[in-house]
Amino acid sequence: AQSVTQPDIHITVSEGASLELRCNYSYGATPYLFWYVQSPGQGLQLLLKYFSGDTLVQGIKGFEAEFKRSQSSFNLRKPSVHWSDAAEYFCAVVPNYGGSQGNLIFGKGTKLSVKP
Amino acid sequence: NAGVTQTPKFRVLKTGQSMTLLCAQDMNHEYMYWYRQDPGMGLRLIHYSVGEGTTAKGEVPDGYNVSRLKKQNFLLGLESAAPSQTSVYFCASSHGQGRHFGDGTRLSIL
Repeated sequence: AQSVTQPDIHITVSEGASLELRCNYSYGATPYLFWYVQSPGQGLQLLLKYFSGDTLVQGIKGFEAEFKRSQSSFNLRKPSVHWSDAAEYFCAVVPNYGGSQGNLIFGKGTKLSVKP
Repeated sequence: NAGVTQTPKFRVLKTGQSMTLLCAQDMNHEYMYWYRQDPGMGLRLIHYSVGEGTTAKGEVPDGYNVSRLKKQNFLLGLESAAPSQTSVYFCASSHGQGRHFGDGTRLSIL
């Protein structure tokens, strides 16, 4: 079945440590790929997106993500996590049906906690 | 800039009551969306609109109706609220593939 999978429900990292959040998708053609962040009680903010071209995408707040076609993955990374990065992170895709785009489909989210 | 504004921010309803959630955007976007967010479920699309006067069903449309009479506004209606509709509702707008989200409406149905 077509889906967006975030395997980790909850991750805890120490402040200053590196971070990688996983996202896998199962759509035939390469979809459009997004990462959003949601702070408690807030809406979703776009961190970065991939449509085509360079597979390493830079986003806001020091985040980056790498698209790997062979693995159907779009993992989010940050070299050094700050306490303010504690939030929930959502991977999302817009399926690409040969030029006709579908709706934005969200993964179930990964909650990030940051230890002092 | 206000971006996407949702009203109200919180509401408690009794089963069977009706209400309308309002979404307003000031970015002149053609596309608008209503999502619901439930724990462990991510965001699921309820209805969306590709332009003034048009609406379409999303993934979970049952129990909801929408209207897009003006380009800047997208209304979500619950005709007869049910406890299963307790959720956080997010409106979003876009002119391309990204989405701009409002801060959400937390709705509880007792």
